[in-house]
Amino acid sequence: GNSVTQMEGPVTLSEEAFLTINCTYTATGYPSLFWYVQYPGEGLQLLLKATKADDKGSNKGFEATYRKETTSFHLEKGSVQVSDSAVYFCALKVASGNTPLVFGKGTRLSVIA
Amino acid sequence: EPEVTQTPSHQVTQMGQEVILRCVPISNHLYFYWYRQILGQKVEFLVSFYNNEISEKSEIFDDQFSVERPDGSNFTLKIRSTKLEDSAMYFCASGRGELSYEQYFGPGTRLTVT
Repeated sequence: GNSVTQMEGPVTLSEEAFLTINCTYTATGYPSLFWYVQYPGEGLQLLLKATKADDKGSNKGFEATYRKETTSFHLEKGSVQVSDSAVYFCALKVASGNTPLVFGKGTRLSVIA
Repeated sequence: EPEVTQTPSHQVTQMGQEVILRCVPISNHLYFYWYRQILGQKVEFLVSFYNNEISEKSEIFDDQFSVERPDGSNFTLKIRSTKLEDSAMYFCASGRGELSYEQYFGPGTRLTVT
């Protein structure tokens, strides 16, 4: 089956620290990979995506590279801000029609000033 | 920028009551989804809907659940007889089609069953 494994949180960092949130996946077929972010009290927002191997998704200073050989899609940011405090979800979608997203459990990030 | 909207933002209901959660997907999207997130847990798929019928459903989506697209804009999730364990945040999502894998999520409806 399809599944996503994320590093357990919570993650607490000081402002301007480097962030890595690990994500690995198992999929039947060739998935597209996503990172969604959920700010406190809000819904899910697409942060970035990659649809094929070696693609790098990027947005708002966040990056993730689709690594087929290690089945990973780790999220990174060089310098986090307090406003990045949120829950981050890694997800996959197998490219076969109207299939659902499969989410990881989410990683809560707290950034302190 | 168009967005998915959901109403109400918070619904409180008594166990055994019926609830209807409403969603207005983005207008040119063809695929519609419901997910739920029990507090502190991961987001779980419930059901997908395309061409006026269910495409796929999870084991969570039992006979107590139903979905409908009653007109050209609304997409609803009905829970016939709510249970305490139905308390969760329910997210509606929509997508353009098979070649575009992105799903756009609404802000969610928090359902509290007492």
